[in-house]
Amino acid sequence: DQQVKQNSPSLSVQEGRISILNCDYTNSMFDYFLWYKKYPAEGPTFLISISSIKDKNEDGRFTVFLNKSAKHLSLHIVPSQPGDSAVYFCAALPSNAGGTSYGKLTFGQGTILTVHP
Amino acid sequence: DVKVTQSSRYLVKRTGEKVFLECVQDMDHENMFWYRQDPGLGLRLIYFSYDVKMKEKGDIPEGYSVSREKKERFSLILESASTNQTSMYLCASSSPTDTQYFGPGTRLTVL
Repeated sequence: DQQVKQNSPSLSVQEGRISILNCDYTNSMFDYFLWYKKYPAEGPTFLISISSIKDKNEDGRFTVFLNKSAKHLSLHIVPSQPGDSAVYFCAALPSNAGGTSYGKLTFGQGTILTVHP
Repeated sequence: DVKVTQSSRYLVKRTGEKVFLECVQDMDHENMFWYRQDPGLGLRLIYFSYDVKMKEKGDIPEGYSVSREKKERFSLILESASTNQTSMYLCASSSPTDTQYFGPGTRLTVL
């Protein structure tokens, strides 16, 4: 039961263009979402996050959009650069709901982004 | 700057061997996690720990155990390694309200 899904295994984009990575989730208890970036032979690094009380969060070239009604989020990278080529993971965190989630994230399958010069 | 280190970057073991993967973090984080990453499956949580000597099963705990005797150290143990445990193993740590910080990973091959 994949609660966080990234349906595109890969994406290829020209340098300077926009990259859009998508993520869908099924669990209504998720209320905080994160994107991680992973280079080969390295651990994932945190990129950007968004709380469910917002619909957009921006950090430089990276913007995350959240559509709660559709249970969908997307990461936009503008302009894309060759150094952005990596695997991008979407992750979700449930609300505490009286307990604590211990920060237990649920990850998607990842999307391999390739930015061509 | 948060640092999470893992004992080995690459490891080759034989079927049936007992395997220890060590993870150390230097940020006094309460929470520590072990994941495995496989193509097309993303990161799947094996075990996590929210305090010393405390552990909780993740989504795929079968064939694994963990140990957390000290706050900064979280060990993953494969009691009897099998070929289907060939994978990239990632350790992470976090405080309860912060994002997770990952180590560089251990690429384990079981022959």
